[in-house]
Amino acid sequence: EDQVTQSPEALRLQEGESSSLNCSYTVSGLRGLFWYRQDPGKGPEFLFTLYSAGEEKEKERLKATLTKKESFLHITAPKPEDSATYLCAVQARGSNSGYALNFGKGTSLLVTP
Amino acid sequence: IAGITQAPTSQILAAGRRMTLRCTQDMRHNAMYWYRQDLGLGLRLIHYSNTAGTTGKGEVPDGYSVSRANTDDFPLTLASAVPSQTSVYFCASSDDRDSPLHFGNGTRLTVT
Repeated sequence: EDQVTQSPEALRLQEGESSSLNCSYTVSGLRGLFWYRQDPGKGPEFLFTLYSAGEEKEKERLKATLTKKESFLHITAPKPEDSATYLCAVQARGSNSGYALNFGKGTSLLVTP
Repeated sequence: IAGITQAPTSQILAAGRRMTLRCTQDMRHNAMYWYRQDLGLGLRLIHYSNTAGTTGKGEVPDGYSVSRANTDDFPLTLASAVPSQTSVYFCASSDDRDSPLHFGNGTRLTVT
């Protein structure tokens, strides 16, 4: 059974204090690993897709990396507007659920001034 | 603005009542999905549809039904609501197997 585990559950950072969020996964054939950002009262907003180990993607202060067992979302010099819940999800090859994503429970990030 | 529209945005429903959550997309995506999001449990797949005319069951389908009569609409029906169906419901769509899912802003449902 596919599993996605995110850690930590919650993270509080000072503005400018860099850190990383972890997403560990077990899947029977990874098609893609996805990162989303979710703000309170809103739907998840797509950030990145990673397809193979060693791949990296960057967007502003965020960089996502992928290994065969986990993905990291690195946040460099965060600002208060980066406060949100960050969700990791996997898409498995040959899934019984079509192209659906299997989500982790998320990391709630708070960046204080 | 292109995207997914969900209605209603929130609803309080008496147990035993029937309710349909509406979802419409204007991106002409083939695949659509319904997830529920609960504190401590994350997003869980209820039903999905890879293309108009086909549907499939996800992780937590019991008590829910869907239909996909056309590309744009994917309604979710609760035939007889129960309190455990209190949740935030998200509809999503995707273009093909390698595309990310695009989400609506959800329907917050409370069953009393």
